[in-house]
Amino acid sequence: EVQLVESGGGLVQPGGSLRLSCAASGFTFSSYEMNWVRQAPGKGLEWVSYISSSGSTIYYADSVKGRFTISRDNAKNSLYLQMNSLRAEDTAVYYCARGGFTFDYWGQGTLVTVSS
Amino acid sequence: AIRMTQSPSSLSASTGDRVTITCRASQGISSYLAWYQQKPGKAPKLLIYAASTLQSGVPSRFSGSGSGTDFTLTISCLQSEDFATYYCQQYYSYSYTFGQGTKLEIK
Repeated sequence: EVQLVESGGGLVQPGGSLRLSCAASGFTFSSYEMNWVRQAPGKGLEWVSYISSSGSTIYYADSVKGRFTISRDNAKNSLYLQMNSLRAEDTAVYYCARGGFTFDYWGQGTLVTVSS
Repeated sequence: AIRMTQSPSSLSASTGDRVTITCRASQGISSYLAWYQQKPGKAPKLLIYAASTLQSGVPSRFSGSGSGTDFTLTISCLQSEDFATYYCQQYYSYSYTFGQGTKLEIK
């Protein structure tokens, strides 16, 4: 069974940093492209970042470019999102999602709240 | 970035009804369009990709059509478990973008 489990969310002050993790199981993680997608409270979905299976190709949404860094460790079956210079508008549930174009499996999400 | 606009934003319907949700792209995206269903407190679920291809395990009452800039998601014979919010997503180019969502509610 495919499972994606996010962790690392929490309350952080504006300007602070947080690192999210996504632990994958039930599939060959190193063969799949991965993404982070977020959802602000009561709002719609926003794609955040993409990483290829090898980690050699990365894309970011303009809203996070220069502040967020996506990475992966295929030996540990894990995906990461390093978030720096956090803003109130980054408050959201962050999902990791499998796939290069469409997202066929999603984690349960981890809530990031940016507030003083 | 390509803008995706869904209509309506909300929709009331009854079990057994047929409903259609529309998604319009700000520029042509060929058939690089997916539909997701999301229930409260849950992660989205992929329903349709390539505009009209049903994801494995998705009931056949769901169907999608369209290409270019105009797309539709149709649910024939609504079931109680179909009341949820639906999103379209373009994957023609990065940044991938979603529509704002259509909330399907029980009448």
